[in-house]
Amino acid sequence: QSLLTQPPSASGTPGQRVTISCSGNSSNIASNYVYWYQRLPGTAPNLLLYRNTQRPSGVPDRFSGSKSGTSASLAISGLRSGDEADYYCAAWDDSLSGPVFGGGTKLTVL
Amino acid sequence: QLQLQESGPGLVKPSETLSLTCTVSGGSISSSGYYWGWIRQPPGKGLEWIVTVYSSGSTYYNPSLKSRVAISADTPKNQFSLKLTSLTAADTAVYYCARTAWGFGNYYFDSWGQGTLVTVSS
Repeated sequence: QSLLTQPPSASGTPGQRVTISCSGNSSNIASNYVYWYQRLPGTAPNLLLYRNTQRPSGVPDRFSGSKSGTSASLAISGLRSGDEADYYCAAWDDSLSGPVFGGGTKLTVL
Repeated sequence: QLQLQESGPGLVKPSETLSLTCTVSGGSISSSGYYWGWIRQPPGKGLEWIVTVYSSGSTYYNPSLKSRVAISADTPKNQFSLKLTSLTAADTAVYYCARTAWGFGNYYFDSWGQGTLVTVSS
């Protein structure tokens, strides 16, 4: 069972704004940075956001992150069919002394 | 462009040892400040961090796997390798290698291999 909790699925229509939540606790999200990964079908995970809100080079500003207390969220605006993917949150966990991941959210663009 | 490629057996018997190698191209595993790690994903489950290594030999283990895991870095070959002992069906997973930012509050994987499926079965 993952230490970070995500909804198993999310959906939206093209152009819509979708958010994906990630819930943790005081040992991980509340006291450390949150990261988000995108895994397109048939490919390896790709870093989408780091340090809660920062985008690596090449990631469009349609993707944004936020964090409050023990929860974090990924928002995708102007949804496109190419955004269909699995999304994973991650954070350092002080109890584990290592990074932990969420179970992943499968995003469907209707 | 940095590329990572996992290699190793796709099928391993229970109780045996899994050996996987990650070959890095387009960059050096000796690059200052970068660490290298292994992550896995069992079928239908989330990602799980296994272990991280620096070229100097410093290693960091997932406590739940530490007793069964070994990692090493071969800088001349630009490779790093994972060994996982006493395999069970629960170790069946896609195994990924990745370049890792590690330290000063940053713990993330910014470049991944394609992954290799390892099945533990007799």
